[in-house]
Amino acid sequence: EAQVTQNPRYLITVTGKKLTVTCSQNMNHEYMSWYRQDPGLGLRQIYYSMNVEVTDKGDVPEGYKVSRKEKRNFPLILESPSPNQTSLYFCASSYSQNTEAFFGQGTRLTVV
Amino acid sequence: SQQGEEDPQALSIQEGENATMNCSYKTSINNLQWYRQNSGRGLVHLILIRSNEREKHSGRLRVTLDTSKKSSSLLITASRAADTASYFCATGSRSARQLTFGSGTQLTVLP
Repeated sequence: EAQVTQNPRYLITVTGKKLTVTCSQNMNHEYMSWYRQDPGLGLRQIYYSMNVEVTDKGDVPEGYKVSRKEKRNFPLILESPSPNQTSLYFCASSYSQNTEAFFGQGTRLTVV
Repeated sequence: SQQGEEDPQALSIQEGENATMNCSYKTSINNLQWYRQNSGRGLVHLILIRSNEREKHSGRLRVTLDTSKKSSSLLITASRAADTASYFCATGSRSARQLTFGSGTQLTVLP
């Protein structure tokens, strides 16, 4: 079954404690991206990757890092989380940057 | 950067009625897509319409695209309570490196 898998689904952490949200896809897609979704602000792209070892900033990259060492995985790293990063995060993959995107189930992050 | 803007922001209808949502965008596009999101879950792709297409159907969904007005509409016919969700349009273009999502329409279908 074609899918994008994110983990964890829910996470509560404290300010400054490094965390990683994993994302994996099984469709051999080249394009992967991370979004955050906040009430009234819609979906905003954090980072994207067009292929292995090729990543670039989206609209709201501050406070986040990503890596793309393998085609299937695209982890999102928060080196020093802050309360304003409390949000619902989605990973997505697609064949290219403007074709049908497949989304993970989301990670609800709370930073206290 | 948000390119698509959905209208209305919220829509409440009775089961069996049709629901129409609109999307406007600003720049030229390669395609326009509609997604559905159940509360707190991931987005699910519904339909993609290319810039050279005017209308597309998929089951109870009908999408139109007017590139001269930079707008699209999503019609859901004979709505069901299970159609209750948020619906987003997203635009894709060759020049952009990402899909650009609108802010969504919250549809509530009352049984």
